[in-house]
Amino acid sequence: QKEVEQNSGPLSVPEGAIASLNCTYSDRGSQSFFWYRQYSGKSPELIMFIYSNGDKEDGRFTAQLNKASQYVSLLIRDSQPSDSATYLCAVNLMDTGRRALTFGSGTRLQVQP
Amino acid sequence: DGGITQSPKYLFRKEGQNVTLSCEQNLNHDAMYWYRQDPGQGLRLIYYSQIVNDFQKGDIAEGYSVSREKKESFPLTVTSAQKNPTAFYLCASSIFSGTNTGELFFGEGSRLTVL
Repeated sequence: QKEVEQNSGPLSVPEGAIASLNCTYSDRGSQSFFWYRQYSGKSPELIMFIYSNGDKEDGRFTAQLNKASQYVSLLIRDSQPSDSATYLCAVNLMDTGRRALTFGSGTRLQVQP
Repeated sequence: DGGITQSPKYLFRKEGQNVTLSCEQNLNHDAMYWYRQDPGQGLRLIYYSQIVNDFQKGDIAEGYSVSREKKESFPLTVTSAQKNPTAFYLCASSIFSGTNTGELFFGEGSRLTVL
């Protein structure tokens, strides 16, 4: 099993719809979880982070964390064409001994006008 | 403005050459990182450093070397031993507290192409 796993997509949604991006991780002891957005040819930028079980909302974005299922997701409401990008899930895995974030391979989101 | 500066943005290397990518931050962050990204892939950790004069290997350290002589600077050398160095290289920094890595702040990246 990959340490941090994402569906590569592309995930295609119409403008105004809800986009749901999912991420699973291998280490049950992980403490912190991050979602980054990356436009083609650019560096990643932080969308949200979440530490506790449940939902965390910020504008059109909601991060959901379920530590028992080792699952974190990102919902984007009222999707816009400008949301079209690759979304990277990053986890602070505790069992690797590394003090650095481990990234998934990313999900490419396409929002159709 | 606070941030992370990477240079050069684009770099071409001939086979057998060593090249050094620069990374400077003025965020007063303790921890700095180098990641590599290949097309359609996520980020893979090369090296990271939590304090000056100390650094640790990541998942793909072979063929790379780093130094951390100053808190602000974490240069990456891609040596001739790295067989497939063409990639997008990202430097990042974070506030580091105990066992938890906080949010990473990224530079704009350096794109290395081997001719």
